[in-house]
Amino acid sequence: KAGVTQTPRYLIKTRGQQVTLSCSPISGHRSVSWYQQTPGQGLQFLFEYFSETQRNKGNFPGRFSGRQFSNSRSEMNVSTLELGDSALYLCASSSGRGEEEQYFGPGTRLTVT
Amino acid sequence: GDSVTQMEGPVTLSEEAFLTINCTYTATGYPSLFWYVQYPGEGLQLLLKATKADDKGSNKGFEATYRKETTSFHLEKGSVQVSDSAVYFCALRIKAAGNKLTFGGGTRVLVKP
Repeated sequence: KAGVTQTPRYLIKTRGQQVTLSCSPISGHRSVSWYQQTPGQGLQFLFEYFSETQRNKGNFPGRFSGRQFSNSRSEMNVSTLELGDSALYLCASSSGRGEEEQYFGPGTRLTVT
Repeated sequence: GDSVTQMEGPVTLSEEAFLTINCTYTATGYPSLFWYVQYPGEGLQLLLKATKADDKGSNKGFEATYRKETTSFHLEKGSVQVSDSAVYFCALRIKAAGNKLTFGGGTRVLVKP
């Protein structure tokens, strides 16, 4: 079974630009969660999508948005990039029910200059 | 709100030494508790979990016991190897919050031969 894949793995953007990151969950999984990892703030929850609906949302500004497609693939978008958005963005997939394990992808390293 | 506090690193040990990483939590509901490990350049991997008080999670020689009375979930390993060098994250999940994980700040462990 293929694991969680994230594309691209590395990205460099300029302040003010926007960026879209992609996450393909494990086949059959319907839940995708996104996290931001920075040295200063650690791992912070962005949002979770289940069956194309946002099920939960963290405390991030509206510049951070996401969506999920019918095949469970998910994208997150950050508009008007700021230097502080430089981070490793991780996604995790699970079936979405019960106490099952979440599987993390390798992450996308975003650098904003 | 919910929060997880874990000891700051880095923790430097010699091979075959005993490892303990302290983790305490504050939760609004009845949480499930997790330990994740992150190797350099990779995403997170679930190491072990416990879903109710007094449960002991174990995997690869690591153990942690869910202590409701002290709101703790300390990670232990009796004899570490160089390959255990990684960053370890304690996390909690509240059932009502779906798949949202709240993480501690992470503890870097370096095992020297």
